[in-house]
Amino acid sequence: AQKITQTQPGMFVQEKEAVTLDCTYDTSDPSYGLFWYKQPSSGEMIFLIYQGSYDQQNATEGRYSLNFQKARKSANLVISASQLGDSAMYFCAMREGWDSGAGSYQLTFGKGTKLSVIP
Amino acid sequence: DAMVIQNPRYQVTQFGKPVTLSCSQTLNHNVMYWYQQKSSQAPKLLFHYYDKDFNNEADTPDNFQSRRPNTSFCFLDIRSPGLGDAAMYLCATSRDLARGSGSADTQYFGPGTRLTVL
Repeated sequence: AQKITQTQPGMFVQEKEAVTLDCTYDTSDPSYGLFWYKQPSSGEMIFLIYQGSYDQQNATEGRYSLNFQKARKSANLVISASQLGDSAMYFCAMREGWDSGAGSYQLTFGKGTKLSVIP
Repeated sequence: DAMVIQNPRYQVTQFGKPVTLSCSQTLNHNVMYWYQQKSSQAPKLLFHYYDKDFNNEADTPDNFQSRRPNTSFCFLDIRSPGLGDAAMYLCATSRDLARGSGSADTQYFGPGTRLTVL
């Protein structure tokens, strides 16, 4: 089974509107971290936002917020007030076991969602 | 600004001709990673260094090697590039946070080197 699932290969959003990018994950480890990265066509992987499995509040960073539903194992990224510069690939990723000493350093990535912002 | 730098941004090499990609960081992070990302795919971890300890992923081909002479620099050597090695190569760094610190370590990526094999 895939550890990170992003079901939307591509999304379109009108400029200034909000958009939600879906991410579900699968782990049996109680300690894990969830990350969202943005990758424009230039190729650089830009860190956007982080949610820890023990965090009580949903993470927010400027126009980015993470809708974390632990019981449903989902960590959707919400981008408010979309801008043309938001057009990019968005990857959800997870690192497991960081608190157990037995975890791996590996980030497991989803397949990504290509977001296109329409003027 | 603290950052992860990769050189060159674009590299063209010939089939079978060794090539070295470089990564440097000013973040003073003790973990450095190399990822391979092929077109329209997610990044795939090749290996990482925890300080000077090298950790190879099980499915990383022997054709790929790495060196980390000091904290700031890490190199990816491709001994005999094949056409299938054409990809974006991403370097990343992270701190190693102590257990119970309350946070997994965020990986910060460089801009990548796009490798073309002719």
